[in-house]
Amino acid sequence: SQQGEEDPQALSIQEGENATMNCSYKTSINNLQWYRQNSGRGLVHLILIRSNEREKHSGRLRVTLDTSKKSSSLLITASRAADTASYFCATASTSGTYKYIFGTGTRLKVLA
Amino acid sequence: NAGVTQTPKFRVLKTGQSMTLLCAQDMNHEYMYWYRQDPGMGLRLIHYSVGEGTTAKGEVPDGYNVSRLKKQNFLLGLESAAPSQTSVYFCASSYSHTISSTDTQYFGPGTRLTVL
Repeated sequence: SQQGEEDPQALSIQEGENATMNCSYKTSINNLQWYRQNSGRGLVHLILIRSNEREKHSGRLRVTLDTSKKSSSLLITASRAADTASYFCATASTSGTYKYIFGTGTRLKVLA
Repeated sequence: NAGVTQTPKFRVLKTGQSMTLLCAQDMNHEYMYWYRQDPGMGLRLIHYSVGEGTTAKGEVPDGYNVSRLKKQNFLLGLESAAPSQTSVYFCASSYSHTISSTDTQYFGPGTRLTVL
């Protein structure tokens, strides 16, 4: 079963606008990561947030984590056409296994 | 430094045929993973390895076998391919030592497999 579920499934915005996508998960986690996948390519790591952190920034990316609601959000500010990709969250459970569970992804399209 | 490489990039099989997908990493990572990606399903873990000579089952291991004879290589085998195994397969590796590690996964470019 999927641990993470992204919302929305698809998002289309104009260049320069901000894009927000959300991830919900089911069990206690050690950390949560966001990855980007360009069409036909492998996933690329964007940012990691630990369970004891509430917010993290990296360039134009801002990630928040609310462990009480079991949810995270990824904000991309001042979006560019090159940000067009699918974005996935991945959670590392506290259950004692060495693996991440990926969500179903949000497809972002940034229109020039 | 090539990172994670996968061969082949594309393959078409007939039902019942067998094949092996090869994943190689040159980052001296301990952990390696095989995922499959299907439309609307995200990535699902097939098998993984926490070190040379060890393997473990993931979410969807049925119909697949793996081997990690060398630290840098992780092989995924399909003994008798079925149409349900049509998918894009991704290999990944990480340097994680413990469950609380902050290490990330590095992905290969993927193998697109079609089983007719």
